[in-house]
Amino acid sequence: EAQVTQNPRYLITVTGKKLTVTCSQNMNHEYMSWYRQDPGLGLRQIYYSMNVEVTDKGDVPEGYKVSRKEKRNFPLILESPSPNQTSLYFCASSLSWQLSSYEQYFGPGTRLTVT
Amino acid sequence: ELKVEQNPLFLSMQEGKNYTIYCNYSTTSDRLYWYRQDPGKSLESLFVLLSNGAVKQEGRLMASLDTKARLSTLHITAAVHDLSATYFCAVDYLQPSQFYFGTGTSLTVIP
Repeated sequence: EAQVTQNPRYLITVTGKKLTVTCSQNMNHEYMSWYRQDPGLGLRQIYYSMNVEVTDKGDVPEGYKVSRKEKRNFPLILESPSPNQTSLYFCASSLSWQLSSYEQYFGPGTRLTVT
Repeated sequence: ELKVEQNPLFLSMQEGKNYTIYCNYSTTSDRLYWYRQDPGKSLESLFVLLSNGAVKQEGRLMASLDTKARLSTLHITAAVHDLSATYFCAVDYLQPSQFYFGTGTSLTVIP
């Protein structure tokens, strides 16, 4: 089944404790992206990657890191989480940035709480 | 800074009625996307609109794009309860890979 998976789905952590949220897709998609969703703000793009070893900042990259060493994986790293990073996080992928359409497929989401 | 605004933010409508959700964006983009999100779930792609004047329809939903007015509409015809969800529009901008989403329209269809 074609899908985007994220782990963990739920995470409660404390301020300053490094964490990684994994994202994997099995569709051979070139483009992958991370978003956070907050009430009243919609989704905001954190980072995106157009292909392996190519990443760039989205609208709200502060406090986050990413890497794209393999095509299928795009982990989101919070080196020192703070309470304002409490949010619902979505990973998404689409076939290729060279196509005229960027229809994205979203993962199930990771609900992160930082205390 | 690109802004994407949706109206209304909340919409409560009776079954069988028609209504339109509006999506305005501040800077030229030729690609607009509509997504649906059910409570506690992920986002599902509904429509991709790629050019001025594009119109797409799926069931009771029809989306259109006017790039000159920087406006997209999502029209709901004869609403049914199953359409209750939050609907987001999104555009991509500048580099062909950065996305901006609207704040969403929470639709509740009342029997």
